[in-house]
Amino acid sequence: DTAVSQTPKYLVTQMGNDKSIKCEQNLGHDTMYWYKQDSKKFLKIMFSYNNKELIINETVPNRFSPKSPDKAHLNLHINSLELGDSAVYFCASSQGNLRQPQHFGDGTRLSIL
Amino acid sequence: DQQVKQNSPSLSVQEGRISILNCDYTNSMFDYFLWYKKYPAEGPTFLISISSIKDKNEDGRFTVFLNKSAKHLSLHIVPSQPGDSAVYFCAAAAANDYKLSFGAGTTVTVRA
Repeated sequence: DTAVSQTPKYLVTQMGNDKSIKCEQNLGHDTMYWYKQDSKKFLKIMFSYNNKELIINETVPNRFSPKSPDKAHLNLHINSLELGDSAVYFCASSQGNLRQPQHFGDGTRLSIL
Repeated sequence: DQQVKQNSPSLSVQEGRISILNCDYTNSMFDYFLWYKKYPAEGPTFLISISSIKDKNEDGRFTVFLNKSAKHLSLHIVPSQPGDSAVYFCAAAAANDYKLSFGAGTTVTVRA
């Protein structure tokens, strides 16, 4: 049983394209996150939704737009992809209590040609 | 501006010995700390956490120590096993903040 699942696992695309990454969790959590792991391996928070409301919106280009249709899903849409967007993107979820650990998906490796 | 730092990118240890991973932080508002373990091509998996009201938390072979005055925490794994070979991330959060700040990770290799 996959707790946090992301699709696709790999995404190779051309510069300038628009792409989406989907995330679903079956843990019953009410908070979901998107992280970016860059070439230096740092995991950096991008967005977070709590009960479908945006609660964290870090300084990311507005080409990135998260969408949460319900508590179990948080998708990430990226417009006009650039070379610097190449990274591994991780989705995570947690229960609303701030002292609960986050559970991560296996990541989506995005490569821009 | 990295607020969580893991200054050792790698650590090699013999099976059965102790692994000690270090983490330093700069934000004095951090009051909750976690360690995650990550295998290649998988997401990070939660390992152990500690609140700032404690200075030690133990779970089986894993113990986390927190030194608030030094803004330093460490993870001890004893005894180390081959399955412990992975990347370990230190993370921290401030009170009333959902955001986790991560270190760059330490790659642990356990030699047979």
